[in-house]
Amino acid sequence: SQQGEEDPQALSIQEGENATMNCSYKTSINNLQWYRQNSGRGLVHLILIRSNEREKHSGRLRVTLDTSKKSSSLLITASRAADTASYFCATKGGGNKLTFGTGTQLKVEL
Amino acid sequence: DTGVSQDPRHKITKRGQNVTFRCDPISEHNRLYWYRQTLGQGPEFLTYFQNEAQLEKSRLLSDRFSAERPKGSFSTLEIQRTEQGDSAMYLCASEPSGRSSYNEQFFGPGTRLTVL
Repeated sequence: SQQGEEDPQALSIQEGENATMNCSYKTSINNLQWYRQNSGRGLVHLILIRSNEREKHSGRLRVTLDTSKKSSSLLITASRAADTASYFCATKGGGNKLTFGTGTQLKVEL
Repeated sequence: DTGVSQDPRHKITKRGQNVTFRCDPISEHNRLYWYRQTLGQGPEFLTYFQNEAQLEKSRLLSDRFSAERPKGSFSTLEIQRTEQGDSAMYLCASEPSGRSSYNEQFFGPGTRLTVL
């Protein structure tokens, strides 16, 4: 079963704008990870944030984690057409498996 | 290419046939995972190996599904008597050993199964 939901389900922006995606989850976690998936392809790991961290940056990506609200956000700054993809959050709890959200489809238009 | 590889990339089969997929993880990774992804959904966990030991199986993994990792390297996922509901993308991922809260999982390109 899915861990939680991502919001919005779909997002369309212009190139150069920022994109923000939110993820909510249900149970306690060890870490939360964000992945990108281009249409019909495998998942590419973007960033991992541990449960004792609140914010993390990687290039144009900024991830926040609020364990009290069981939520995370992914911000992509200065978006490019190549950022068009589906974005998934995934949580790792007490075990080793990842539990994925439902995904946000991002479209960046020229 | 030293990433996770999966074979075949696409498989079309008729209902009732058996299919087998292969996953080759990153060589130094001792953890290997199988996930299934249907259209418009996030991946769902199927099963997990640490070396050759299968340590966890999802309730999604019915008795028609079997996975092996005989020598702790590559893994196979077999589906017997396929059903149309088995149509999905089957993803394999590997992860290095060590404290799992620090580790990302590396995914292969997936095998897309279509059951007619």
